[in-house]
Amino acid sequence: EAGVTQSPTHLIKTRGQQATLRCSPISGHTSVYWYQQALGLGLQFLLWYDEGEERNRGNFPPRFSGRQFPNYSSELNVNALELEDSALYLCASSLLTSGANVLTFGAGSRLTVL
Amino acid sequence: AQSVTQLGSHVSVSEGALVLLRCNYSSSVPPYLFWYVQYPNQGLQLLLKYTSAATLVKGINGFEAEFKKSETSFHLTKPSAHMSDAAEYFCAVTVWGGSYIPTFGRGTSLIVHP
Repeated sequence: EAGVTQSPTHLIKTRGQQATLRCSPISGHTSVYWYQQALGLGLQFLLWYDEGEERNRGNFPPRFSGRQFPNYSSELNVNALELEDSALYLCASSLLTSGANVLTFGAGSRLTVL
Repeated sequence: AQSVTQLGSHVSVSEGALVLLRCNYSSSVPPYLFWYVQYPNQGLQLLLKYTSAATLVKGINGFEAEFKKSETSFHLTKPSAHMSDAAEYFCAVTVWGGSYIPTFGRGTSLIVHP
């Protein structure tokens, strides 16, 4: 069974540009989560999608946005890139059944903003 | 709102020594607690989880954790460290009846010396 796949693996952008990151969940998983992992800050929750709808978002500005497609894959868009957006962006999926649901993570997309 | 605190951003042990990684949680309702591990250039993977069935939880690779309500702790231990255990370890919490979004700690980097 294929795991959670993310693309691209690495992405280099300059300030003010836009970045698009993509995620394919495990087959059968309907929930997709996005986290930002910046150096020394652990994982910061960005967005949660379930059944095509945005269910919750973390404490990030509106220039961080995304969507979930009918096949449950998802993309994260970051507009007007700033230097501090440089981080590893992790996507995870789960079969949402309870608060004890386990997330399965992809390897991440490393975004570097110059 | 729930939160976790991981004490020590880095823990260094010798191969064969006891591993102890500390996690304290804060939650006004019964929590679900998780430990994830992140190897270099990989996503996070689940080590173990506590869902109230038993206070001592055994996970993969010889790790275990004990839920102590009186101390609001969920420390991760392993009797004998291996070089392959060198990685970043994250404690996470969700709560019963709340959102299904795990809140992660900042992580503890485990360094294993030969």
